[in-house]
Amino acid sequence: GAVVSQHPSWVICKSGTSVKIECRSLDFQATTMFWYRQFPKQSLMLMATSNEGSKATYEQGVEKDKFLINHASLTLSTLTVTSAHPEDSSFYICSARRQGTGEQYFGPGTRLTVT
Amino acid sequence: ELKVEQNPLFLSMQEGKNYTIYCNYSTTSDRLYWYRQDPGKSLESLFVLLSNGAVKQEGRLMASLDTKARLSTLHITAAVHDLSATYFCAPYGQNFVFGPGTRLSVLP
Repeated sequence: GAVVSQHPSWVICKSGTSVKIECRSLDFQATTMFWYRQFPKQSLMLMATSNEGSKATYEQGVEKDKFLINHASLTLSTLTVTSAHPEDSSFYICSARRQGTGEQYFGPGTRLTVT
Repeated sequence: ELKVEQNPLFLSMQEGKNYTIYCNYSTTSDRLYWYRQDPGKSLESLFVLLSNGAVKQEGRLMASLDTKARLSTLHITAAVHDLSATYFCAPYGQNFVFGPGTRLSVLP
């Protein structure tokens, strides 16, 4: 149990376009979901925290208008990278906190390449 | 603000050798996790340490936690090539704060 999926697993897009990444908790309900970004050979950096039905909380330095997060249900959160640029190319990992236990589970990641 | 350090950041070792990775963190944390990450992949949970003095072992890996010293260790015994990966420690406060990672390369 406790599976988190992400879709797509990889995406290539052109500069100026927008990309949506989905994060789903498949077999549990998630009160909170987290979005991380990881650049090559670096650690994971928390971008934002989202609670179902409310606005996301962004970490310092993360542009909320560029990285739109929607947590529409207890099993789905989406991250939309708007007007993507090559510097947004990264590995995006979501994590879901299980309702009840509070345990957090990580998705398989989405590799975004902006050309 | 919780800060996390890992030492060493890079480790190249021969098969069969032992080594320890250290994780120091700056403020109180109620639990600490160790994760493994293979290139191009997400995180694989290795251990969760819940209390002072906790020790957990799985195969050739053993993790311990000293909350008073704010120190966790990941000990590798008789390393094999399959252990080559990046290892992250992550103390948990309100959410995870990841260390910089230790890139381990086990050479035959």
